[in-house]
Amino acid sequence: AQSVTQPDIHITVSEGASLELRCNYSYGATPYLFWYVQSPGQGLQLLLKYFSGDTLVQGIKGFEAEFKRSQSSFNLRKPSVHWSDAAEYFCAVASGNTPLVFGKGTRLSVIA
Amino acid sequence: DADVTQTPRNRITKTGKRIMLECSQTKGHDRMYWYRQDPGLGLQLIYYSFDVKDINKGEISDGYSVSRQAQAKFSLSLESAIPNQTALYFCATSDYAGANYNEQFFGPGTRLTVL
Repeated sequence: AQSVTQPDIHITVSEGASLELRCNYSYGATPYLFWYVQSPGQGLQLLLKYFSGDTLVQGIKGFEAEFKRSQSSFNLRKPSVHWSDAAEYFCAVASGNTPLVFGKGTRLSVIA
Repeated sequence: DADVTQTPRNRITKTGKRIMLECSQTKGHDRMYWYRQDPGLGLQLIYYSFDVKDINKGEISDGYSVSRQAQAKFSLSLESAIPNQTALYFCATSDYAGANYNEQFFGPGTRLTVL
């Protein structure tokens, strides 16, 4: 069965600092990988996705993620965090015909 | 207008009451999903439907039922609500082909409180 691990429950970074959120998945074949963001009181919005091809994918709001098959990882990065990036971030994985399996999320706090 | 809508947005009810949460979409997607979100637990799949005649249980279906009335509508029912069903509920849709294959589009959520 597929599973997703987000090792960090809560991360605090300073505004302007770089960010990396970790995601590890368990799945036998090549997965479909996603990062979603949930701002306070809001639904989930897709940041980026990986299906195949270039292992470095660009998303919205200046985010990027890199698929590393050897490490079963799909970490999310941003070079310079803004206060508006404070939110909860979810990594998710799917196979070809199954619903997404979500990680438990990482809450990001941004301090001045 | 929102592509995926949920009604109600907030609901407070009492233990033992029957509750229905509704989801409608204008994206033309065949696939629809119901998730539950609890703090620290992420999103857990309750039920999903790949078309009008297809209903599947997710990982936490006990105490819930669903109805797929049409391609655009997918309702979640709590037959007899209990306090540990207090949570944020999300509906989502996805396409089965094309550039957005497997990408799920979420509604704004329904906050349910069971007293």
